[in-house]
Amino acid sequence: GESVGLHLPTLSVQEGDNSIINCAYSNSASDYFIWYKQESGKGPQFIIDIRSNMDKRQGQRVTVLLNKTVKHLSLQIAATQPGDSAVYFCAESPETSYDKVIFGPGTSLSVIP
Amino acid sequence: GAGVSQTPSNKVTEKGKYVELRCDPISGHTALYWYRQSLGQGPEFLIYFQGTGAADDSGLPNDRFFAVRPEGSVSTLKIQRTERGDSAVYLCASSFTKDNEQFFGPGTRLTVL
Repeated sequence: GESVGLHLPTLSVQEGDNSIINCAYSNSASDYFIWYKQESGKGPQFIIDIRSNMDKRQGQRVTVLLNKTVKHLSLQIAATQPGDSAVYFCAESPETSYDKVIFGPGTSLSVIP
Repeated sequence: GAGVSQTPSNKVTEKGKYVELRCDPISGHTALYWYRQSLGQGPEFLIYFQGTGAADDSGLPNDRFFAVRPEGSVSTLKIQRTERGDSAVYLCASSFTKDNEQFFGPGTRLTVL
């Protein structure tokens, strides 16, 4: 079936640098995309979302970029901090609602102090 | 506590046994979701409740899995005749409505020996 996947399973970044986490999706019908952060022993935590009619959205220290032409999603974290160390998941939903969210496999971000 | 809570945090059982996993959503949240997360993977959707009814149970892997939410608040995920392949972290999430952000609990780690 169609799925969401990630290019890089692990990413190490120096504290203070910017991080970029990439995600490829295959379902062209997906209308809504979400990034989650999951720390060890905890459930996923919402970071930021974007609808398919947008190509960029900014939050606090985070930016999500959507390129529908190549079905690519990225999460940029500015001035990465040790507290950003976690697994990051991109997820998709076929509609602009959360009732059925499909997660990708995740990227582990490690911040080097 | 204002978050989603799940009990037990860990459950070890033997193959063939029956288990129940409990989820207490955030008060006032009408939507409740169950996911299953295997090691190194993203959460996999199982079932979604709107109020007391299962609005979408298409993610349940087979008829050994069943979930209820009799009063529209607490939900129980029930697994009959457990198999070793059922070992995973079972996550619960709730949202105010299906169009709002999901808040995840810490999960129940199920180990089937």
